[in-house]
Amino acid sequence: DQQVKQNSPSLSVQEGRISILNCDYTNSMFDYFLWYKKYPAEGPTFLISISSIKDKNEDGRFTVFLNKSAKHLSLHIVPSQPGDSAVYFCAAHRGGSQGNLIFGKGTKLSVKP
Amino acid sequence: GAGVSQSPRYKVTKRGQDVALRCDPISGHVSLYWYRQALGQGPEFLTYFNYEAQQDKSGLPNDRFSAERPEGSISTLTIQRTEQRDSAMYRCASSLAGVGTEAFFGQGTRLTVV
Repeated sequence: DQQVKQNSPSLSVQEGRISILNCDYTNSMFDYFLWYKKYPAEGPTFLISISSIKDKNEDGRFTVFLNKSAKHLSLHIVPSQPGDSAVYFCAAHRGGSQGNLIFGKGTKLSVKP
Repeated sequence: GAGVSQSPRYKVTKRGQDVALRCDPISGHVSLYWYRQALGQGPEFLTYFNYEAQQDKSGLPNDRFSAERPEGSISTLTIQRTEQRDSAMYRCASSLAGVGTEAFFGQGTRLTVV
C-alpha cells in the first residue's frame, strides 16, 4: 500500500518553462514533506521541504505547495534548466517517534534545451 | 568526512553467503538511516539509529537482516544467508537530528546475489 504516490513516472519540459512535479499521500499523520533530487550513479540529495503547518515554501527557483485537504503537494521549478534533469522523489515523515521517511517512486524530469 | 561514505560500492555474492555493508556518516550526525532501493522504486526504509541506539527496525524484511552502530558513528548492515531477492541498492543516510530533518545520502552499495 503506497502511502506516498508519484503517479507520473516521467515528465519532459522545455528549458525556461515551468516544471510541475506532483505527489499525493494518504496518511494524514504526516507532518513534514521533503523533495529529493537524484542524478544517475549518485545518492538522493535534499532539495526543499515543507512543514504540514505551511502551504508554501520557496527557495530560489524551487517552490513546494502543500494542499492538506487534498493530501497533495507539488514542486514547481521556474525557470527549468537542463541541469534540473534528474529523478525527483517526494518523501513524507510521520510525526512522533518514528524517524523514517516514506518515499514515492520518483518522477524522472527531462528538461530539453 | 565531507559526505556519507558507503563501502563497498559494488558487491557480488553467492546465494547463501553473508555480507556486511558499511556506512560512515557525516561527522557529528546523530541519526543514521538504512534504506533499500529496488530499480524504478523510491528508497524503502529499513532501520535507523540515534547515536548507538537502534530506534526503529520495523523496515527490516526478516531476521536475516541486522544492523549495528556500536559507537554511534560507523554502522554495519549485515545480511545473512543472502538470497537473490536481496539484490538491490542499499543506501545509508545521516542527519544532524532525526524526525524529518534533512538527511544526506551516500552513493549506496549495489548488492547482487547470484
